Amino acid sequence: GENVEQHPSTLSVQEGDSAVIKCTYSDSASNYFPWYKQELGKGPQLIIDIRSNVGEKKDQRIAVTLNKTAKHFSLHITETQPEDSAVYFCAASKTSYDKVIFGPGTSLSVIP
Amino acid sequence: NAGVTQTPKFQVLKTGQSMTLQCAQDMNHNSMYWYRQDPGMGLRLIYYSASEGTTDKGEVPNGYNVSRLNKREFSLRLESAAPSQTSVYFCASSEQGPGWYFGPGTRLTVL
Repeated sequence: GENVEQHPSTLSVQEGDSAVIKCTYSDSASNYFPWYKQELGKGPQLIIDIRSNVGEKKDQRIAVTLNKTAKHFSLHITETQPEDSAVYFCAASKTSYDKVIFGPGTSLSVIP
Repeated sequence: NAGVTQTPKFQVLKTGQSMTLQCAQDMNHNSMYWYRQDPGMGLRLIYYSASEGTTDKGEVPNGYNVSRLNKREFSLRLESAAPSQTSVYFCASSEQGPGWYFGPGTRLTVL
């Protein structure tokens, strides 16, 4: 069945360093790849997304890259801050409004 | 504009009891979803509704039923709760464009 893998499961970085989270997906029909940030006790919040016709997208300190041939996509956070500490989920879907399969999540800790 | 709201926020049930989790969105989205979140397993889709009047099973539908009451509301019912249904439940909605919007979650414990 459809599957999204995510690595690492936990990540600890020093404030100011970069963090990278990697995902792979199994369904070659996937065309939409959102990333979510979940803070403790809250619901996931969309932080950035990328579609299959784009290889890279940036939004301030956050960037996503997509390699559709290899079925890989990654989240890059630069100049990390303590408020970036959260659980991050990658996901894959055929469209932005179709059912989505989530990765298991990465717990990011940014150490001041 | 409240986004996606869920009630209740917390609930404790005994095995065999029934309950309905309520979800409403005020963004005029066509699609709505119910997910459960368990430690180390991410978010798993229980049921979804692509539009008013339609519902479909997701990855883990057993033990649950849903009702798309109208465009705004999508409820999840546990007819006979089991300890395996202890989880955090999230409702979400989406429309063509920026992806899904999640509610704050319902933390359910089944004893």
